[in-house]
Amino acid sequence: GEDVEQSLFLSVREGDSSVINCTYTDSSSTYLYWYKQEPGAGLQLLTYIFSNMDMKQDQRLTVLLNKKDKHLSLRIADTQTGDSAIYFCAELASGGSYIPTFGRGTSLIVHP
Amino acid sequence: KAGVTQTPRYLIKTRGQQVTLSCSPISGHRSVSWYQQTPGQGLQFLFEYFSETQRNKGNFPGRFSGRQFSNSRSEMNVSTLELGDSALYLCASRTDPSMNTEAFFGQGTRLTVV
Repeated sequence: GEDVEQSLFLSVREGDSSVINCTYTDSSSTYLYWYKQEPGAGLQLLTYIFSNMDMKQDQRLTVLLNKKDKHLSLRIADTQTGDSAIYFCAELASGGSYIPTFGRGTSLIVHP
Repeated sequence: KAGVTQTPRYLIKTRGQQVTLSCSPISGHRSVSWYQQTPGQGLQFLFEYFSETQRNKGNFPGRFSGRQFSNSRSEMNVSTLELGDSALYLCASRTDPSMNTEAFFGQGTRLTVV
């Protein structure tokens, strides 16, 4: 079965780096996503990585994928107060319904 | 281009009532998915519609139903509401339900059952 796990909370100081971790169980995952949800808003796709990649960088965001350990991380460099939000990891398995499975989300709190 | 529009934004209903939520996808998007978001369970997939047909269904009781119209707008209905149905209901639209088409989410409808 599919399961995506994330820690529920992360607190960092403004200017530091944030690392949000995610583990998944489905070895047939093809795409892995990171979504951001700000208060009162829907989910916004931040970035995604294809399963044959190890790393993807996009400005302040770095995604690392360890396929052997089924571990995905999102690093936010120079974290700002505007980065405070809930971050969802999601996986898309091959040969299925093409419906992503989401983790429960990590609440990132950035304090001055 | 207008984003995904969900109405209403907030709803308060009493147990036993039924409720209908609406989702208008981005113009040109034919796939609409519905999710239930609660603090305890996170984001749970309800169902997906494409070209007026339900393509996929999550693990929810039959009280939860949906439909899609010819203009791709979708509605979901919950009958005989229970307190545990209180949640944020999110709708996402895609151009089509193929593998790597980005899903765009609406702001959600916050349903409170009292």
